Amino acid sequence: QLQLQESGPGLVKPSETLSLTCTVSGGSISSSSYYWGWVRQPPGKGLEWMGSIYYSGSTFYNPSLKSRLTISVDTSKNKFSLKLSSVTAADTAVYHCARLYDNGGYWRRYLDYWGQGTLVTVSS
Amino acid sequence: QSVLTQPPSVSGAAGQRVTISCTGSNSNIGAGYDVHWYQQLPGTAPKLLIYGNNNRPSGVPDRFSGSKSGTSASLAITGLQADDEADYYCQSYDSSLTGSRVFGGGTKLTVL
Repeated sequence: QLQLQESGPGLVKPSETLSLTCTVSGGSISSSSYYWGWVRQPPGKGLEWMGSIYYSGSTFYNPSLKSRLTISVDTSKNKFSLKLSSVTAADTAVYHCARLYDNGGYWRRYLDYWGQGTLVTVSS
Repeated sequence: QSVLTQPPSVSGAAGQRVTISCTGSNSNIGAGYDVHWYQQLPGTAPKLLIYGNNNRPSGVPDRFSGSKSGTSASLAITGLQADDEADYYCQSYDSSLTGSRVFGGGTKLTVL
């Protein structure tokens, strides 16, 4: 059974960089049909798509976050990571990593496995 | 403000049928892009409920069904049960936001 687990600091200071890692177990991050993504959810609010990465390193970012967001992959460790720079209180959220399955085209991809999420609070 | 519009809340009595709408535009649902639905029980991660407009993953009861027409999609739940009480999100792809998946704002389902 595939499992995804987020890890990283739960508290980040304003203007600093938020860094999280997602460890994938029970399957290979290098599988050809899958992308790996991040979704965040501010407390009491809805889901926001952040971006995704393919095992080759190709990335796709939400345009609203593109200038601050970097997603990377380490296939040797079966992990992928997120870095969000210049954070503010508005970046306080539960951050989920997830697997994006390619069901036959970029317009058909969906999130079939999710990590439990990790709360990151931006505060001094 | 979400690219896909969902009602903030719906409710129904146990055993009844409810529908949750997801309204988009010609740059997402209306362009023919697939719609997917997720269920988020309180305090848990979202779970895939419907993929590709109307397909259920293994293990999802057939009480849940999806449909799509024009620029909108719907999730129908029949035979409402108390443990269906959750937040539901639709998701698609939007061509006006290069490479971006988009979510609806979410709908809170209350089972009366």
